[in-house]
Formats: sequence, C-alpha cells, structure tokens
Amino acid sequence: EIVMTQSPLSLPVTPGEAASISCRSSQSLVDSNGYNYLDWYLQKPGQSPQLLMYLVSNRASGVPDRFSGSGSGTDFTLKISRVEAEDVGVYYCMQGLETPITFGQGTRLEIK
Amino acid sequence: QMQLQESGPGLVKPSETLSLTCTVSGDSISDHYWAWIRQPPGKGLEWMGYLYYNGRTNYNPSLKSRVSMSIDTSKNQFSLKVRSVTAADTAVYFCARGYCRGVGCQLYYFDYWGLGTLVAVSS
Repeated sequence: EIVMTQSPLSLPVTPGEAASISCRSSQSLVDSNGYNYLDWYLQKPGQSPQLLMYLVSNRASGVPDRFSGSGSGTDFTLKISRVEAEDVGVYYCMQGLETPITFGQGTRLEIK
Repeated sequence: QMQLQESGPGLVKPSETLSLTCTVSGDSISDHYWAWIRQPPGKGLEWMGYLYYNGRTNYNPSLKSRVSMSIDTSKNQFSLKVRSVTAADTAVYFCARGYCRGVGCQLYYFDYWGLGTLVAVSS
C-alpha cells in the first residue's frame, strides 16, 4: 500500500502569517494521464472532514484562495497564505491513485 | 445539496457484528463510489472500502475478511457490516461519496461526508 507521510504533525501559527504542510507518498501518485491523485482535507473540531483541494491544486467549491496546493510525483505541499482563526483543525492528505486509499497521519493547525 | 446520514447501534458487544446504514438524500445514489471511512478516538482516518452503485466492491485488505458492504438503490441507502468486532473497532464511522470519472471510474475525491456516528465495542 502507498504510505502517506505528513510534516509537521503540529503547526502553531499566528493569525495573518503563512503556513505550509508537507505530504510525501511512498510511491508516485501520477497516473498514465499525468494526473496526480492527491487530495487535501480539513477536519475542523467536532466535524467530519471536508474536501479542500483535489488533484493537487484544484480548490474545492467554497474554499478561499488563501489555500493553494502544489507538487507532483511523491512530494506535495499545502499552503495557507494568511492563516485565519477558522482554519484551525487537522489537515489530511490522501492518495486516491490506487486502493487501499490511504491518508496521512494528519497535521494539527492551531492558533498561537 | 446532497446529504449523507449514518445510522445504527452506538454500542456493539465484542465478537458480534457491527451494522451501519448510510441514507443519501438530495441526489441519486446511482453513480460514483459510496465509501465507509472510520476514525478511532483521537486518531487518523482509515478507508474501509467502497462500493459502486452496481454493487461492485473494493475493501481495504486490512479488513477484507471481516467487512461487507451492500447498496440499495431503491432506498438510496448503502450499508456496512463488520464481523467479529473487538475494542480496536471502536471508532467514529463516516459514510462518504467518492466522486469518480472516466471509463474505469477513477476516484477523484470524497466530496460529501456524513456527520459520523460513534460505535463503541464493549461488553
């Protein structure tokens, strides 16, 4: 199975500052069409996960443009340009290239 | 707007079978994947498996021998069974839609999730 590894696991951020989360996969997430099947989800406290980004860099409906995704192959990054209080929660990367579908361990973003 | 709602017992005895149902409203269940994802208390997300609207299933090998999923398109529902449960199966269970595209229905993302239901395994 493809192992997803996130860093850092904890991310304290001052409001207004930028934040970055790394996700690495144990094998390439690129398929024959050139798509990277890497998504990002945010699980806010007490809620179910919500889709943030899909295919690396496509924002889901309603996601602010403060969020951006990049990367290819095995290395991916989620960036928040200016963190707001509503961004707190646990961020997960997920690979959908092959089954079993696997998630990273999660990165907990907290406000300083 | 599509909504998913999990239902089922919140407490199951060890060695028994956990059974949950997900009811989908706001759109038809006759397309895409329908998944179960669980989260043990304080831990991360684990994909348990999904099924296509025609009943084709794909399970996580870590659970394959104990898990079964089924779908009832007439009721817009799909279900999960986990046999021979232990305390390690205690978790919040989420149902979700897996949006897929292409001839082989390649999974793109999970876009709609239920609120989740906590199932505790205890005697």
